[in-house]
Parts: sequence; C-alpha cells; structure tokens
Amino acid sequence: GAVVSQHPSWVICKSGTSVKIECRSLDFQATTMFWYRQFPKQSLMLMATSNEGSKATYEQGVEKDKFLINHASLTLSTLTVTSAHPEDSSFYICSASGSVGRGEQYFGPGTRLTVT
Amino acid sequence: AQSVTQLDSQVPVFEEAPVELRCNYSSSVSVYLFWYVQYPNQGLQLLLKYLSGSTLVKGINGFEAEFNKSQTSFHLRKPSVHISDTAEYFCAVGENNAGNMLTFGGGTRLMVKP
Repeated sequence: GAVVSQHPSWVICKSGTSVKIECRSLDFQATTMFWYRQFPKQSLMLMATSNEGSKATYEQGVEKDKFLINHASLTLSTLTVTSAHPEDSSFYICSASGSVGRGEQYFGPGTRLTVT
Repeated sequence: AQSVTQLDSQVPVFEEAPVELRCNYSSSVSVYLFWYVQYPNQGLQLLLKYLSGSTLVKGINGFEAEFNKSQTSFHLRKPSVHISDTAEYFCAVGENNAGNMLTFGGGTRLMVKP
C-alpha cells in the first residue's frame, strides 16, 4: 500500500515551453503533497507544500509564478514548470502524506526534466 | 528549526563487511526519524522509521538504526552488505509539531566493492 506515481518519468522540452508533471496517490488519500527538486549528487530540496483544496506554500527562493502547483483532489497534485529554461533541468520528486502512516511521506519515482 | 547532518558524503566498503552510516540532528522538540534509500534515477524508498517506543528499529534489507536521544543521533547499520546495497542513503527528521514536513540530510553514497 501507500503507492505514489509520477508522470512522466522523464521529459525533454525546448526552452520557453511549459511542462506539467503529475503526482498521484494510488491507494490512499493524500491530504498533503510535497514537491522536491534534486540536483545531481545532492539532497532533496523542498520546493513547496500543498494541501488539498488550498494554495501551495512555497519555500523561500522558489518562484511561485514559475512553478505552478495545483492540488485539486485528494489523489492528484500537478507541478507545471512555466517558460522552462535549461537551468530548470533537474530531477523533480513528489511525495504524499495523509490517510496512511504517521508523519510519513511516500515518495514518487521522480521525473527527470531536461530543457534544451 | 531542525537540521540534519550526515557526516560522511561517501562510504566505501567491501562486500560482506559491516557498515554504519551516521546521522545527527538538532531539534528543540520531539522528533521522528527516517532513513530512505535512493537508487539511480529513482525516488526514495523507506528503509525504516522511528516514531516512538523502542530505540532500536529494524527495517528492510537487513538494515537497522538506533535512536540515541542524548547524542541526537540515528545511525544506520547493516552487519553484512551486498553489492546491491550500493545507493544513496538519506536521513530525514520530522518534528511532531510541524505536520508531516521533513528535513533531509545531505545524503551518504554507499559504495560496496566486490
């Protein structure tokens, strides 16, 4: 149980275009979802926290107009990278917590974004 | 505010040898602790967690960790490693009054050599 999926697993886009990444909790209700960014050989950096039906809370230094997060249901959150640039290339990981576990986040498999 | 320090960025070890990956944290409130493993180009998989109760926690793949409140540590151990244990390991801390937010350590790359 407590499975989180992400789609796509990898994506290549051209500079200036927008990319949407989906994060789904498959077998539990995710009241809170987290979006992380991970650069090569580095730890996870929390970008934002979203609660179902509310606006996301962004960490300091993360541009909310560039990284649009929507958490419209208890099983789906989306991250849209708008007007992507090569420096946005990274590994994006989502996690979810909610109706299972205690204080535990369940992680998706990640999405590799490459902006050319 | 809490912080997590993983003292070793890389740990090379021979197959079948024991290993300890160190994790120290700082927090002013009670915490819960996790160890995650990440294989290349994958998400994080939970190895084990400490929420309360016994300070020795056993996880998957033969790993265990001990919560030491006085030393604010949560070191991960395995008595005999395999080549397949080669991966990145992350220690994470959550505070009981901070919802489900986690703070991650910088990660330790475990490299198991034949």
